[in-house]
Amino acid sequence: AAGVIQSPRHLIKEKRETATLKCYPIPRHDTVYWYQQGPGQDPQFLISFYEKMQSDKGSIPDRFSAQQFSDYHSELNMSSLELGDSALYFCASSQLTSNTQYFGPGTRLTVL
Amino acid sequence: KNEVEQSPQNLTAQEGEFITINCSYSVGISALHWLQQHPGGGIVSLFMLSSGKKKHGRLIATINIQEKHSSLHITASHPRDSAVYICAVYDRGSNYQLIWGAGTKLIIKP
Repeated sequence: AAGVIQSPRHLIKEKRETATLKCYPIPRHDTVYWYQQGPGQDPQFLISFYEKMQSDKGSIPDRFSAQQFSDYHSELNMSSLELGDSALYFCASSQLTSNTQYFGPGTRLTVL
Repeated sequence: KNEVEQSPQNLTAQEGEFITINCSYSVGISALHWLQQHPGGGIVSLFMLSSGKKKHGRLIATINIQEKHSSLHITASHPRDSAVYICAVYDRGSNYQLIWGAGTKLIIKP
């Protein structure tokens, strides 16, 4: 069965650069969630989208923005990267009717 | 006090032992998720429960809604079971956001 796809899987950037992470949900899933997991920490909810509209907002910094496109894939844009942004970024998708979130493999971002 | 608490935080056992990981939560939930995170970082969903008990292979998960408690059991543990096991709940009070426990790091020695 198709799973959530994230790209790239690994990304290395320097401070003050920008990064774009992509998430492709499971087919027919209409909701996408973004999480950030710092080293040794719990995943923190960043933001979610339902039907291309932002549905919920968590601890997403102002330097980050995200959107969901007409094909339901989502992109997380990160600007003015800081060392503390180094983390695993997970995307999850669900159908609004079921709430079960299916997680992608994550993108490991390293900021040097 | 964390809304989702897991115990133990760390667990080392010998191959073949029966493993129990506990999760208690304080919020009203619609369902509870047990997830497995391997050293490489990927998260795999094991179970989603809203009542009773589920079994998949050597894994068993139970939930008691009245007591706000869930357990994950691993029978005949194997070194490949070594991972971090995370309990996460869908919080009815915050639009079903997923609230994560801190995880239990399990090491199974051969």
